[in-house]
Amino acid sequence: DAGVIQSPRHEVTEMGQEVTLRCKPISGHDYLFWYRQTMMRGLELLIYFNNNVPIDDSGMPEDRFSAKMPNASFSTLKIQPSEPRDSAVYFCASTNSGTGRPEQFFGPGTRLTVL
Amino acid sequence: AQSVAQPEDQVNVAEGNPLTVKCTYSVSGNPYLFWYVQYPNRGLQFLLKYITGDNLVKGSYGFEAEFNKSQTSFHLKKPSALVSDSALYFCAVREGSNTGKLIFGQGTTLQVKP
Repeated sequence: DAGVIQSPRHEVTEMGQEVTLRCKPISGHDYLFWYRQTMMRGLELLIYFNNNVPIDDSGMPEDRFSAKMPNASFSTLKIQPSEPRDSAVYFCASTNSGTGRPEQFFGPGTRLTVL
Repeated sequence: AQSVAQPEDQVNVAEGNPLTVKCTYSVSGNPYLFWYVQYPNRGLQFLLKYITGDNLVKGSYGFEAEFNKSQTSFHLKKPSALVSDSALYFCAVREGSNTGKLIFGQGTTLQVKP
């Protein structure tokens, strides 16, 4: 299995621009998570999906952030408009609640820099 | 509500010495506990987990963790530290019995010096 795939790996954009981060979970996994990691705030859970349905988006910082999961193999996290304080590493993770392996598997992350 | 605490921001140990990274938890019901490691510029990698059974759990890279129900702890250990073990370590607990959501601690930086 290729693991969780994220793209792009690095994104540099200017304030005010729209940013879209992409994630492909491990095939067969029914949960997908979006995290953000910064030095100041550590690892934060933004939103997670179960069977493509958003379950908890209480970690989404502002209305500028939105996430979708149109099918079991793809999810996006969009920031519009982006601001410098959004600069962080964004991770996607997935897991299968129905197996004997409850651990989450993380992607390599997208390093976002907003100038 | 479930929670995890890692009381040390950083742990320093000399290469070859044993290491311990501490984690305490608070859950209702039986805990599912996890350790992850993050190397610089990488995603989190799963190290080991406790679900049930033996209190001493063995994982990747020679790491092990001891589950202590009375002390609600799940400390990560390694008998002999390597410089390459230097990384950020996260403890986590699963929220509830029927969810994939994990609650992560704030992380502990392990520094192994030659």
